[in-house]
Amino acid sequence: QKEVEQNSGPLSVPEGAIASLNCTYSDRVSQSFFWYRQYSGKSPELIMSIYSNGDKEDGRFTAQLNKASQYVSLLIRDSQPSDSATYLCAVNDYGQNFVFGPGTRLSVLP
Amino acid sequence: DAMVIQNPRYQVTQFGKPVTLSCSQTLNHNVMYWYQQKSSQAPKLLFHYYDKDFNNEADTPDNFQSRRPNTSFCFLDIRSPGLGDTAMYLCATSRDQTSGGSDTQYFGPGTRLTVL
Repeated sequence: QKEVEQNSGPLSVPEGAIASLNCTYSDRVSQSFFWYRQYSGKSPELIMSIYSNGDKEDGRFTAQLNKASQYVSLLIRDSQPSDSATYLCAVNDYGQNFVFGPGTRLSVLP
Repeated sequence: DAMVIQNPRYQVTQFGKPVTLSCSQTLNHNVMYWYQQKSSQAPKLLFHYYDKDFNNEADTPDNFQSRRPNTSFCFLDIRSPGLGDTAMYLCATSRDQTSGGSDTQYFGPGTRLTVL
């Protein structure tokens, strides 16, 4: 049974701080990793995808992947109240299936 | 803009009354998915189509059926909705690459279903 785990939160950070979201996965053959943001009542929206070990930066977002440790993280710099949402980690293993974690609820306090 | 469209956005039905949700995509992706998401939970995969090949998850109730008449459209049929089927239903698409694996999933806006 493939599993993706995340801290459910809520994770609270002050405005302007760095928010750090973590995700671990159980399947060593996983190859593709995704972070989605989901606002309450809305559908998931892709923020970042990462396929290789190391860091990938896009604006205020940085994804970090360590396949040896089976760990992927998302850093949000200069957090804004509009970043308050649930962040879903998803993993794909070269098939068509994507396994989602339970999500971490982030609250950015003004 | 290429996108994933779901209709209706909101649906209220009565216990036991069949309902059909639709999804269309202009991305020309060969894989389409249906997820059920209940409040404060992760999306739960119901089934997916890889081209015309239907793949059912083992724990998807028989009450849920799907049709994909062509590349662009996919339908979710709930034959006899129960109160526990109240949820957001998400359609997603991806492109499965012959070199291995599916590319990113793109989600539609979802249909919020309420069963009374």
